[in-house]
Amino acid sequence: QQQVKQSPQSLIVQKGGISIINCAYENTAFDYFPWYQQFPGKGPALLIAIRPDVSEKKEGRFTISFNKSAKQFSLHIMDSQPGDSATYFCAASSDRGSTLGRLYFGRGTQLTVWP
Amino acid sequence: DTAVSQTPKYLVTQMGNDKSIKCEQNLGHDTMYWYKQDSKKFLKIMFSYNNKELIINETVPNRFSPKSPDKAHLNLHINSLELGDSAVYFCASSQDRGRDYGYTFGSGTRLTVV
Repeated sequence: QQQVKQSPQSLIVQKGGISIINCAYENTAFDYFPWYQQFPGKGPALLIAIRPDVSEKKEGRFTISFNKSAKQFSLHIMDSQPGDSATYFCAASSDRGSTLGRLYFGRGTQLTVWP
Repeated sequence: DTAVSQTPKYLVTQMGNDKSIKCEQNLGHDTMYWYKQDSKKFLKIMFSYNNKELIINETVPNRFSPKSPDKAHLNLHINSLELGDSAVYFCASSQDRGRDYGYTFGSGTRLTVV
């Protein structure tokens, strides 16, 4: 069972455009939602993370929007650049219950930014 | 200095062989993980150790056996390799459960079973 559902599977955006990746979850015990970025031949690296006490978090061109009632969160990449071309993973974890200590990843989105 | 280093980076082996992958972290983290990334890039946790204690043991074939000699090292031994074991295996580490500073991943070991 996929704990975190991510879409789209692939995304092509023109340079300067906005990239939007969406994720949804069911487990209301999740209370930590990171995004990871993975370049070819490398391991994933933490990009930005949010907790449900805020609805938005921004770091540079990257913004997470969080909708607790809808159990959805999304990554927005403003002014997308060719160097942003990578695979992006959303994830979720909980500090309690049967999912304690586990980070569940979405299936990833392959982002390609055209120059 | 590489924070999380895995060896080897590439591993090509025949079916039925036994192989090991080694991982070391120099971040002082207390938790280490093994993840498997398949050809569709899906990341699936296999094992996690916290201070040398196994805390996550997902449903993986018992041909896979992790071993943590100390909190800076986590190795993965695979017996009787099968074609379906071909994947990229990532080691990662975190402080506690990685909820403050995230996980630090190694660069992966690409295992190809022929």
